[in-house]
Amino acid sequence: GENVEQHPSTLSVQEGDSAVIKCTYSDSASNYFPWYKQELGKRPQLIIDIRSNVGEKKDQRIAVTLNKTAKHFSLHITETQPEDSAVYFCAAIAGGTSYGKLTFGQGTILTVHP
Amino acid sequence: NAGVTQTPKFQVLKTGQSMTLQCAQDMNHEYMSWYRQDPGMGLRLIHYSVGAGITDQGEVPNGYNVSRSTTEDFPLRLLSAAPSQTSVYFCASSSIGGYTFGSGTRLTVV
Repeated sequence: GENVEQHPSTLSVQEGDSAVIKCTYSDSASNYFPWYKQELGKRPQLIIDIRSNVGEKKDQRIAVTLNKTAKHFSLHITETQPEDSAVYFCAAIAGGTSYGKLTFGQGTILTVHP
Repeated sequence: NAGVTQTPKFQVLKTGQSMTLQCAQDMNHEYMSWYRQDPGMGLRLIHYSVGAGITDQGEVPNGYNVSRSTTEDFPLRLLSAAPSQTSVYFCASSSIGGYTFGSGTRLTVV
């Protein structure tokens, strides 16, 4: 089955700096890669996603890149703000009948210091 | 449009008791899943469904049953609760994109 590795497990940055979180996946059939943000005591919320036919996607201060050959994808947050502090999870889904199986990385605790 | 609704929000069970965690979505999503989240750990898939009448096991299915008789509902049954099942349980649904999560059920087994 799919295995998703996420690094780093914790990340501390100063407000205004950039933050990068990296994930690798094992199943070459995976074709959809969402990123979730989870604040303390809340549900995971989708912040951005990318499909395997796209190399990069941006949404304001957030961007995701995908390297299918190397089987890795990354989340980039620019101009970080204290409200960006949360746990971030990457995930991967294979297509076809495996679409229901969303496999998560272990999570990255991002702390943005004012 | 309520999204994904989970009940109850909190539950305390005694070892050996059974219970059902309810999950309902009003977005006509095909795919529904149950995850558990333990402290310091990520989200682990328990069971999932790709449509009414179709379910399959995830990473940690032991001790749990599911059924999907309608598109809207996907209940999770704990057969005989054990302390190791103390966790936060999330239900999620999707059409062909990102999953939408419910607010979670915090379960404690004593």
